[in-house]
Amino acid sequence: AQRVTQPEKLLSVFKGAPVELKCNYSYSGSPELFWYVQYSRQRLQLLLRHISRESIKGFTADLNKGETSFHLKKPFAQEEDSAMYYCALAGLSQGGSEKLVFGKGTKLTVNP
Amino acid sequence: DGGITQSPKYLFRKEGQNVTLSCEQNLNHDAMYWYRQDPGQGLRLIYYSQIVNDFQKGDIAEGYSVSREKKESFPLTVTSAQKNPTAFYLCASSLVRSIRGGELFFGEGSRLTVL
Repeated sequence: AQRVTQPEKLLSVFKGAPVELKCNYSYSGSPELFWYVQYSRQRLQLLLRHISRESIKGFTADLNKGETSFHLKKPFAQEEDSAMYYCALAGLSQGGSEKLVFGKGTKLTVNP
Repeated sequence: DGGITQSPKYLFRKEGQNVTLSCEQNLNHDAMYWYRQDPGQGLRLIYYSQIVNDFQKGDIAEGYSVSREKKESFPLTVTSAQKNPTAFYLCASSLVRSIRGGELFFGEGSRLTVL
């Protein structure tokens, strides 16, 4: 079964400090991982995906298969980064169809 | 304005009544999804459909039903069999049938409160 764990419900940092949102996964196949973000009063939207190996809004995430992790990092947090962040895993269900499973989310607050 | 439209935004119903939440997309996306979002629980998949006239159960399908008669529409019915129906419901779509490599586009959500 697929599982995504985000151990921190809440994370608070000061502006300019580094930030790391943790995500661990459990999946027997080849995983594909994503980070989604929900800013206040906005729709949930894709932030980045591991296959793209891109940096979006200064955020990066590296898939570590040995540690089964996909932590989201940013060297210098900004106040506008305050949002709810969800890690998600795409894989095959027991029935053979694909589905996207989300973690419980981490609420990031960047203080001035 | 392209995108996913969910209606109604807020809905109140009495216990024991069925209620249907609407989800329409004009993005010409093949796949559509329904998630339930509860505080501290993240998003949990209810049902999804990768093609018209076909859909699969997600992780918490009990007490819910869906239909996919048209590509652009994927309504969700919350039946009286759903034990805890009060929640925020999110509809999403993706261009490709395969979620791997795809991106989900979300609606604004519908908040259902059962009195």
